[in-house]
Amino acid sequence: EPEVTQTPSHQVTQMGQEVILRCVPISNHLYFYWYRQILGQKVEFLVSFYNNEISEKSEIFDDQFSVERPDGSNFTLKIRSTKLEDSAMYFCASKGQGRTDTQYFGPGTRLTVL
Amino acid sequence: DQQVKQNSPSLSVQEGRISILNCDYTNSMFDYFLWYKKYPAEGPTFLISISSIKDKNEDGRFTVFLNKSAKHLSLHIVPSQPGDSAVYFCAARRGHYSGGGADGLTFGKGTHLIIQP
Repeated sequence: EPEVTQTPSHQVTQMGQEVILRCVPISNHLYFYWYRQILGQKVEFLVSFYNNEISEKSEIFDDQFSVERPDGSNFTLKIRSTKLEDSAMYFCASKGQGRTDTQYFGPGTRLTVL
Repeated sequence: DQQVKQNSPSLSVQEGRISILNCDYTNSMFDYFLWYKKYPAEGPTFLISISSIKDKNEDGRFTVFLNKSAKHLSLHIVPSQPGDSAVYFCAARRGHYSGGGADGLTFGKGTHLIIQP
């Protein structure tokens, strides 16, 4: 069964450093998403991406964040200058074409900012 | 701003009995609701969904009920099995967005279901 994959599974970085989290969505999906879950809190929407542009973003997704689909398979989330409060699980999700198609989530990348 | 609320942080149920997980929402613009199951160190796994034009959707042991007037939905698992022990998230999507389905989901805080043998 097709699945969303994410790399790395765990990323440790120093505060102020740039990180890139990578995702390979399900191959025929058209909509891509990033979410995060800070330890002990709920899953929060960051950004959605469709047709090579951002469709929607939350207030969390500020100028420090950017997303890109550099080729036909990868979808990346970049954090330019990490802060301690960026430590969280980051989940990528993808969805097919219909309005009621389900978002399928990857296993997540645990980002630890020291 | 808790637009999706799961008021029970945990629930313990005997194996073989019914598990009922509840979810309330406040945003009238939500038109599609989903339940996800999550194990530690894994991503959320889709279980079942329901459109706001329906009041019930069933898939095997899982049934979701939607009461729009009360802004309440529930997930029933019958019979409950040990493998059902996990955190269950209720999630909702706004229907007014014109982007053709690119809405981000709004999640509740989750309910930790524990199935006791």
